[in-house]
Amino acid sequence: ETQVRESGGGLVQPGGSLRLTCTGWEFTLSARWMTWVRQVPGKGLEWVANIKKDGSEVHYVDSVEGRFTISRDNAKNSVYLQMNSLRADDTGVYYCATAGDSSAYRPNDNWGQGTLVTVSS
Amino acid sequence: VMTQFPDSLAVSLGERATIHCKSSQSVFYNDNKKDYLAWYQQKPGQPPKLLFHWASTRQPGVPDRFSVYGSGTDFTLTISSLQAEDVAVYYCQQYYDHPQTFGQGTTVEIK
Repeated sequence: ETQVRESGGGLVQPGGSLRLTCTGWEFTLSARWMTWVRQVPGKGLEWVANIKKDGSEVHYVDSVEGRFTISRDNAKNSVYLQMNSLRADDTGVYYCATAGDSSAYRPNDNWGQGTLVTVSS
Repeated sequence: VMTQFPDSLAVSLGERATIHCKSSQSVFYNDNKKDYLAWYQQKPGQPPKLLFHWASTRQPGVPDRFSVYGSGTDFTLTISSLQAEDVAVYYCQQYYDHPQTFGQGTTVEIK
């Protein structure tokens, strides 16, 4: 059973914005660091960003730094990925995944089914 | 950078499949003597599934035919007797530092 679920994907024009949401399903996201990973259809996995349990620490892959913002609202049991200045190479399935409880340096053990983002004119 | 090889392999049912993963820097943390290395399995149309972490700690439910070896910069994942349900793409990932990069993936198919 999936303990996290993504939403918010869709078709957007280059230069546009989109916000993805990850919600815990019978799972308390505030107990974990949370991660976004993306995958171009038919290609490999790319780690995108993660956020500490209380939101006080975040990390990004260089290719999205300054364009994407990861955040969370623990009261809503949700994690977000705000994506601005979108480019064609941002197209892919975006997965939300849980990570460690006490440390950022842990693997991703629960994954959602993903939400597809397509950047095209 | 995480590099896997081969990119793909075709193995007969019941035969052995071995996947290699090499890191451009050591993922071994001396303070706790752990390798910050995970293996995932991704079947078509599904999200990745964590198989091993700390390089060799098996997740609950992962069959014994899956085994791992290695430390530092070089790791292997072996399927001792390939089953039809093992057809998938396998990824290694380092979570030693940010960004927590994945290998490019190895596709395992039935010959």
